[in-house]
Amino acid sequence: EPEVTQTPSHQVTQMGQEVILRCVPISNHLYFYWYRQILGQKVEFLVSFYNNEISEKSEIFDDQFSVERPDGSNFTLKIRSTKLEDSAMYFCASRSRDEQYFGPGTRLTVT
Amino acid sequence: LAKTTQPISMDSYEGQEVNITCSHNNIATNDYITWYQQFPSQGPRFIIQGYKTKVTNEVASLFIPADRKSSTLSLPRVSLSDTAVYYCLVRPTYGQNFVFGPGTRLSVLP
Repeated sequence: EPEVTQTPSHQVTQMGQEVILRCVPISNHLYFYWYRQILGQKVEFLVSFYNNEISEKSEIFDDQFSVERPDGSNFTLKIRSTKLEDSAMYFCASRSRDEQYFGPGTRLTVT
Repeated sequence: LAKTTQPISMDSYEGQEVNITCSHNNIATNDYITWYQQFPSQGPRFIIQGYKTKVTNEVASLFIPADRKSSTLSLPRVSLSDTAVYYCLVRPTYGQNFVFGPGTRLSVLP
C-alpha cells in the first residue's frame, strides 16, 4: 500500500537555526498539507499546497515558514529561524480525491 | 467549517463494541464526515468516511442519521491495540484542510 514518508524522524536544532523537513507524498496525489502537533495538544493545520502554490494557510504559518515542491516527488517545510515553541511533531499529508493520508511525522526539538 | 463535538474520553473492555458519537449541528449539504485514529507519536490514520446512512469497512461502521447532525463510529470487538485518540472531522470533500478537535481518547482495558 502506498504511503507518505517523512525524513528525518527526529530533528534536534538550536534556537535560531533553519530546519527543512522533508516529505514524499503518495505519487499520484495532487494536494499536499503540513500539520503540526505540540506534545499533548491537538493536530493543527499549517498549510495546504496545490498546483505548485499555497492554496490555504493558517495563522501559525507566518513568514518564518515556507513550503516548496522542488521536484516531482518531494514536498518540504522550511522554518527559517526556529523558536522554542516550534518544538512539535510535524505531519505531512497528501490527498487525491477523498481521504488525506498522513505521514509518520518528524519530531522537531528546538533547544 | 462545521464544528464538531465528541466526548473527551471513553473506557471500554476488550471484546466489547464501542460507539463514539460526534455532534455536528451546522454540517453543510456538501460536507462529508470522516473519522481518523491516532496512536501516540504517529500520524492520524484514516478509518472511515460517509455522507449519509451507514458505511461499513473492515475496521469500523459509521452511522449517520437522516438529519446528518451527528454520526456514530462503531468499533466491533475492540482490542487493547485500539487504544488511541479518535477524531471526527467534517468538511467538503475537495480542497479544504482538516480542522482537528481534541478527539476522543479511547482506553481499552483488559
